[in-house]
Amino acid sequence: GENVEQHPSTLSVQEGDSAVIKCTYSDSASNYFPWYKQELGKRPQLIIDIRSNVGEKKDQRIAVTLNKTAKHFSLHITETQPEDSAVYFCAAGLPYGGSQGNLIFGKGTKLSVKP
Amino acid sequence: KAGVTQTPRYLIKTRGQQVTLSCSPISGHRSVSWYQQTPGQGLQFLFEYFSETQRNKGNFPGRFSGRQFSNSRSEMNVSTLELGDSALYLCASSLGDRGPLMNTEAFFGQGTRLTVV
Repeated sequence: GENVEQHPSTLSVQEGDSAVIKCTYSDSASNYFPWYKQELGKRPQLIIDIRSNVGEKKDQRIAVTLNKTAKHFSLHITETQPEDSAVYFCAAGLPYGGSQGNLIFGKGTKLSVKP
Repeated sequence: KAGVTQTPRYLIKTRGQQVTLSCSPISGHRSVSWYQQTPGQGLQFLFEYFSETQRNKGNFPGRFSGRQFSNSRSEMNVSTLELGDSALYLCASSLGDRGPLMNTEAFFGQGTRLTVV
């Protein structure tokens, strides 16, 4: 079944610097790759997603890249701000009807942005 | 548009007891997935229901079960609770469409914090 590895588990950056979180997946059939942000005590919320027919997607300070050949995808946050501090989860989604659930998550990255 | 609602928010149970958690999805969403969240383990997939049928299942023991009703509301049940079952249980709803859109955005509820003592 699908397995998602996420690195690093913790990341500390200075305000204004960039942050990069990387994930790898195992099942080449996965076609959907969302990223969720979870602030302390709150529910995970989608911040950006990418589908397997696209190599890169950007939304203001956030971008995601996908390398299908290598089976890895990354989240890039530029000009980080203290409010970016949270736990970030990557996930890989198989087409519905696959042997596992529609979203398999990585173990998360705790990002701390120091003012 | 109301979001995903989970009840109760907090539960304290004793080992050996059973518990039922509820999830009301966003109106129009037919897929409900359940996840267990524990520190260091991230979000572990339990199962997914679509149109009252379990469509996918994760690697959890049979003590964990669920169901979905005709209005798409879902419940999950854990029997014979163990200390290790203490966790935040999250449900997520999505359209669950099998059409060209394939996977669509999953919206999470606030979760139910279960503590087993």
